[in-house]
Amino acid sequence: QTVVTQEPSLTVSPGGTVTLTCASSTGAVTSGYYPNWFQQKPGQAPRALIYTTSNKHSWTPARFSGSLLGGKAALTLSGVQPEDEAEYYCLLFDAGAWVFGGGTKLTVL
Amino acid sequence: QVQLQESGPGLVKPSQTLSLTCTVSGGSISSGNYFWSWIRQPAGKGLEWIGLIYTSGSTNYNPSLKSRVTISLDTSKNQFSLKLSSVTAADTAMYYCATSEGFWGQGTLVTVSS
Repeated sequence: QTVVTQEPSLTVSPGGTVTLTCASSTGAVTSGYYPNWFQQKPGQAPRALIYTTSNKHSWTPARFSGSLLGGKAALTLSGVQPEDEAEYYCLLFDAGAWVFGGGTKLTVL
Repeated sequence: QVQLQESGPGLVKPSQTLSLTCTVSGGSISSGNYFWSWIRQPAGKGLEWIGLIYTSGSTNYNPSLKSRVTISLDTSKNQFSLKLSSVTAADTAMYYCATSEGFWGQGTLVTVSS
């Protein structure tokens, strides 16, 4: 089964920019993997941020953007806010099944 | 705005079948080209995709769970359901339902224990 890999943890300063990535064990991630990104804060349900690589939901703050970068899916946060501290998960569609990454714990410090 | 609410027993005995329902409000489960998913999360761990069902009724399951999972639609009640058979302690988790449009329920905790 496909393994989806994310950075276990990242730290960013308030106001800074950070990029989280999402790689597939089967090869380069393309738009055909329909990358999704989710944010989860402690004690809360996940919240969808990005679908199909770069599309934002109506509630997604403008500082979040999705892209493909170097064979991976990427989530970039520009102008990071303290409330962005959370766990972030990517989700890829591969070989007929959806697979979550292990998550990236983003610390804003 | 679409809202989802999971419901079902919070405690299931080993070897039995876990049954959960997701009630959808603010939208019709049978309209549009959407799909409806189940996801779970053991305490302190990451998310695991369980499976989904399209409005057409066709399904797609996690290969590692496929032999034990059934997801179905009940359009008359605007609900979709999850059944997971032969459960063990490893199936203890928070279970979430979600839509392809990005809406999630708040989750329901299911514990497998005798």
